[in-house]
Amino acid sequence: EVQLVESGGGLVQPGGSLRLSCAASGFTFSSYSMHWVRQAPGKGLEWVSYISSSSSTIYYADSVKGRFTISRDNAKNSLYLQMNSLRAEDTAVYYCARKISSGPTLDYWGQGTLVTVSS
Amino acid sequence: QSALTQPASVSGSPGQSITISCTGTSSDVGGYNYVSWYQQDPGKAPKLMIYDVSNRPSGVSNRFSGSKSGNTASLTISGLQAEDEADYYCSSYTSSSTWVFGGGTKLTVL
Repeated sequence: EVQLVESGGGLVQPGGSLRLSCAASGFTFSSYSMHWVRQAPGKGLEWVSYISSSSSTIYYADSVKGRFTISRDNAKNSLYLQMNSLRAEDTAVYYCARKISSGPTLDYWGQGTLVTVSS
Repeated sequence: QSALTQPASVSGSPGQSITISCTGTSSDVGGYNYVSWYQQDPGKAPKLMIYDVSNRPSGVSNRFSGSKSGNTASLTISGLQAEDEADYYCSSYTSSSTWVFGGGTKLTVL
């Protein structure tokens, strides 16, 4: 069974940093590209970032470019999101999601971790 | 990248059919057959219901179907059931090698 478990969320002050993790199991993590998607309280989904299986290709949404860094450790079956210079508008539940092997679809999602940026 | 446009809410009675639209541009919905639809219950993770415009993942009811015409994709749910009440989001791959979601549609089963 595919499982994705996010961790690392919490309360952080504006301008602060936080590192999210996503532990993957139930599939060959090193063969799949991964995403981070976020959802502000009461709002819709917003795509954040993508990383290919080998980390050779990385994309970011304009809203986080230059502040967030996606990475992965295939030996540890883990995906990460380093978030710096956090703003109030970054407050959201952050989901990690797997990209389907054929095509750009996000098929499995974790349960999410809440990041709150507030003083 | 602007969000795809969905109606904020739709409703229907049990047994009826409803359709949720998702409008984008030629740079996303209209340019690729890579539209997906997700169902999200409150406080839960999104669940994939349709991918590549009209394909259903294993385990998803055949009451769910997808289509596309030009820059607008649609999700149709036939034989509406109380358990279908949820938020629905469309998504598309874009020409900028990014992904974009719709604003979401709240489905109410009357």
